[in-house]
Amino acid sequence: ELKVEQNPLFLSMQEGKNYTIYCNYSTTSDRLYWYRQDPGKSLESLFVLLSNGAVKQEGRLMASLDTKARLSTLHITAAVHDLSATYFCAVDGAQGGSEKLVFGKGTKLTVNP
Amino acid sequence: NAGVTQTPKFQVLKTGQSMTLQCAQDMNHEYMSWYRQDPGMGLRLIHYSVGAGITDQGEVPNGYNVSRSTTEDFPLRLLSAAPSQTSVYFCASSYFTQGNEQYFGPGTRLTVT
Repeated sequence: ELKVEQNPLFLSMQEGKNYTIYCNYSTTSDRLYWYRQDPGKSLESLFVLLSNGAVKQEGRLMASLDTKARLSTLHITAAVHDLSATYFCAVDGAQGGSEKLVFGKGTKLTVNP
Repeated sequence: NAGVTQTPKFQVLKTGQSMTLQCAQDMNHEYMSWYRQDPGMGLRLIHYSVGAGITDQGEVPNGYNVSRSTTEDFPLRLLSAAPSQTSVYFCASSYFTQGNEQYFGPGTRLTVT
């Protein structure tokens, strides 16, 4: 059974600082997704990582995937208040198409001025 | 495109009542799914469908039924609501090939008293 663990679950950081969110998963997969959720809102896709060593960047966020270590990271560079949200990783452990995504519990990020 | 739409946005039910949560997408996506989100639990897959006429169970299917008569629609039925089904429900859709991120609807907040 695929399990996905994120840490930390809560992260409070100051503007301008850097930090990394970790996503570990328990079974082989080379398809990992990062989503953002603002309070009371739906989920917004951030990154799709499809192979070992994949790295994607958008603004102050950079995501990477190490399938051998079963680990993905979401790195935040010079945080700003607008990045405050909950971030979820999700792993697709199925063969074939997108089936049965398993989500981590989320990391609630608060960026303080 | 309207994307993924869900109705209603809010619903209060009494224990034992039944209801249907509606989900529709206009992106011609083959894959559709239902998740529930509970505090501190991330998202958990209830049921999913890889095309019209094909449905399967996810992680937490008990107490819910689905059907997929058209590509566009994927309703979720609660047969006899229980307080444990109080949650926020999200519908999502995607193309059924590897590496396609899921697009989420705005959610339905359900309270069962």
